[in-house]
Amino acid sequence: EPEVTQTPSHQVTQMGQEVILRCVPISNHLYFYWYRQILGQKVEFLVSFYNNEISEKSEIFDDQFSVERPDGSNFTLKIRSTKLEDSAMYFCASSLEGEKLFFGSGTQLSVL
Amino acid sequence: GDSVTQMEGPVTLSEEAFLTINCTYTATGYPSLFWYVQYPGEGLQLLLKATKADDKGSNKGFEATYRKETTSFHLEKGSVQVSDSAVYFCALGSNQAGTALIFGKGTTLSVSS
Repeated sequence: EPEVTQTPSHQVTQMGQEVILRCVPISNHLYFYWYRQILGQKVEFLVSFYNNEISEKSEIFDDQFSVERPDGSNFTLKIRSTKLEDSAMYFCASSLEGEKLFFGSGTQLSVL
Repeated sequence: GDSVTQMEGPVTLSEEAFLTINCTYTATGYPSLFWYVQYPGEGLQLLLKATKADDKGSNKGFEATYRKETTSFHLEKGSVQVSDSAVYFCALGSNQAGTALIFGKGTTLSVSS
């Protein structure tokens, strides 16, 4: 069965550094998403992306965050200057239609 | 704003026990409701959904009924297996592509033989 793949599975970075989290969505999917889960808290929506532009974003997704689909297969989340509170599990997801999202297994980001 | 509250875990059961994981929601309008499951080392997977009041979603022996009067969508299974051990997430949203799902914290289920 096709799956969403995320790399790396774990990322450790220093506060203030830029990080790029990478995702390969399912190949024929049209909608792409990033969610995150801070330890012990709810899974939170960050952003959705369709037709090469952001279709919806949350309050969390401020100017420090950006997304890109650089080559038609990868979907990346960039955090420009990481903060301690950015430490979380980041999930990428994709969908062909509305409600059935396919999630990757996540990237655990630790900001020191 | 819209929100989802699910029971705190972990839930620990013996094989063949009955499972209930409570989920209640707060929403304006008429959202769709979902249960996602995350097995160890994998991503979240859609387990079942219901799109309107009194709908029952079911899959793999799991069921949940959309109760508008109690704003609930409790997950149940009559006889759990060790392979059901996972984290279960209740969520609400629309069926419209590209829109946000609102998740609960997740409930860890551990089933022993």
